[in-house]
Amino acid sequence: GAGVSQSPSNKVTEKGKDVELRCDPISGHTALYWYRQSLGQGLEFLIYFQGNSAPDKSGLPSDRFSAERTGGSVSTLTIQRTQQEDSAVYLCASSPVGDRSDEQYFGPGTRLTVT
Amino acid sequence: SQKIEQNSEALNIQEGKTATLTCNYTNYSPAYLQWYRQDPGRGPVFLLLIRENEKEKRKERLKVTFDTTLKQSLFHITASQPADSATYLCALGGRRGYQKVTFGIGTKLQVIP
Repeated sequence: GAGVSQSPSNKVTEKGKDVELRCDPISGHTALYWYRQSLGQGLEFLIYFQGNSAPDKSGLPSDRFSAERTGGSVSTLTIQRTQQEDSAVYLCASSPVGDRSDEQYFGPGTRLTVT
Repeated sequence: SQKIEQNSEALNIQEGKTATLTCNYTNYSPAYLQWYRQDPGRGPVFLLLIRENEKEKRKERLKVTFDTTLKQSLFHITASQPADSATYLCALGGRRGYQKVTFGIGTKLQVIP
């Protein structure tokens, strides 16, 4: 079946512009995560959605970052007034319910470059 | 604060040998530990999960050990192949119902033919 998809695959934007990154999780997966991966750094947790529960936003680095998940499926990560330090690969992952709910299935990522 | 340490330098081994990667952690009592594989330009791929009450888990040529006293996990690839060359990430998970997972920086493995 189809895996996690993300769009765009690459995004170049000017400092100060807003960007939206999209994630389509695997159908039926109730949990969705956003991470950021910078060169030479580990994956940095940003936000976690689980079903209809309030999201865990504890990893968002500033109030310029926000995310929503509509209808328990597609998620959008928005970065307002982008800064050069926002340049990174943004990864989305989803997890199934049940015994394998701790396994995360990642998308290919969106490479964001802020000039 | 929580800290995960993986071999920061690349690990080079000869084809056919066993590769052993290390993951150490501090200030954490994870409910489980995972290993992922990441190829350049791609997202991580889940390999194995081992829970705090398990000592060892195997899957094909892969073996993971988990020592909660030493706060360490070892990840072994037996009969390594050039196709095993990738970066391997260790990740720690909390209690069920709190799904935030903390990832290590990863170890780059190069299997030389």
